[in-house]
Amino acid sequence: NAGVTQTPKFQVLKTGQSMTLQCAQDMNHNSMYWYRQDPGMGLRLIYYSASEGTTDKGEVPNGYNVSRLNKREFSLRLESAAPSQTSVYFCASSEVAGTPSSYEQYFGPGTRLTVT
Amino acid sequence: AQSVTQPDIHITVSEGASLELRCNYSYGATPYLFWYVQSPGQGLQLLLKYFSGDTLVQGIKGFEAEFKRSQSSFNLRKPSVHWSDAAEYFCAVAPNYGGATNKLIFGTGTLLAVQP
Repeated sequence: NAGVTQTPKFQVLKTGQSMTLQCAQDMNHNSMYWYRQDPGMGLRLIYYSASEGTTDKGEVPNGYNVSRLNKREFSLRLESAAPSQTSVYFCASSEVAGTPSSYEQYFGPGTRLTVT
Repeated sequence: AQSVTQPDIHITVSEGASLELRCNYSYGATPYLFWYVQSPGQGLQLLLKYFSGDTLVQGIKGFEAEFKRSQSSFNLRKPSVHWSDAAEYFCAVAPNYGGATNKLIFGTGTLLAVQP
């Protein structure tokens, strides 16, 4: 059971380049999330998907787009990367909303992105 | 707005000593509360959670946390720290429950170092 997987693990981009971060979960979870982690700022929510076919903005959505491809996969796209997007990106998933256990989020190992 | 405060950015303890990591939240009602641990280069792992009931909750790896409503706190404790506990610890709160989304708000983290 792989849980939440993310690809790639590391990436270096030049300013203006684009890329897509991939995330997949095999726990049959309904909800998925993208966070960025920066020193001294904890985790900040970029986008989330409460269920297949829906996506919503989080705290810091500017410069990003997402696609909930199916129930398993949730991708994050940077259309024109900027140095301010240098960060570690985490994908997470959780069960369908409505029960306390649905607040338990399961995290992937992260993608370390550097934009020069 | 809801918020989570972890006042200690960095803590160093000796192996075998006791540990307490502080977490305070700002929220009008009783929230759901969580502690996550992040080992170097890894994603976040859930240590324990509080939904309701007994205010002292037990988690994995010998950790426990106590919810104190009067102090709006949810401090994490461990009686005897092991070198493998060196990691970053995040407190999180779920500000909205019973709705369609399960977003968490994370604190900025406390980095724990363990001296031999």
